[in-house]
Amino acid sequence: DAKTTQPPSMDCAEGRAANLPCNHSTISGNEYVYWYRQIHSQGPQYIIHGLKNNETNEMASLIITEDRKSSTLILPHATLRDTAVYYCIVKTGANNLFFGTGTRLTVIP
Amino acid sequence: NAGVMQNPRHLVRRRGQEARLRCSPMKGHSHVYWYRQLPEEGLKFMVYLQKENIIDESGMPKERFSAEFPKEGPSILRIQQVVRGDSAAYFCASSPTGLYNEQFFGPGTRLTVL
Repeated sequence: DAKTTQPPSMDCAEGRAANLPCNHSTISGNEYVYWYRQIHSQGPQYIIHGLKNNETNEMASLIITEDRKSSTLILPHATLRDTAVYYCIVKTGANNLFFGTGTRLTVIP
Repeated sequence: NAGVMQNPRHLVRRRGQEARLRCSPMKGHSHVYWYRQLPEEGLKFMVYLQKENIIDESGMPKERFSAEFPKEGPSILRIQQVVRGDSAAYFCASSPTGLYNEQFFGPGTRLTVL
């Protein structure tokens, strides 16, 4: 599975868009990009996943570059409840997810 | 529509005792995954089970740890002769199939070994 690189922490003002980057330069053609988040001490929560097209759901948007070497998770209007650690995971199947260190997003009032 | 349920939520054991952690997957899900999260660390995969079968146990310690997912009832993660280093949060997740599906996580069991 491809390795991912994420910034360790980010701040975002409440109400603004939060853009969380992820580099996965060694991704292969059949690997999906998944995003999960973990709000303090809770179980991780699935956010979104994609292969090569951009994806959007009720929680977020996922923008994947054309060469698929990086992606950005966008929370369009961050709220205080979005404060969490966000994990970018690249995987062929869903059998086991490798959670790295993620990005700790702090939404500031 | 209940989510993934885990019990107990908190478990305290003394060194040498056994710990049994239970996980009931979401209705209709036949795939279960166990992860462990040590303090201040990310989640680490332990084992993947499908009803009555262990599919991938590459993340399980070789000794003292075992997992099962019987035909009836919850999945069980069993830790024998616990040591202080086993203190962690143990999360269970489930999915309806094993491919390209998101995993739904339970609230976790926090094990403290005294």
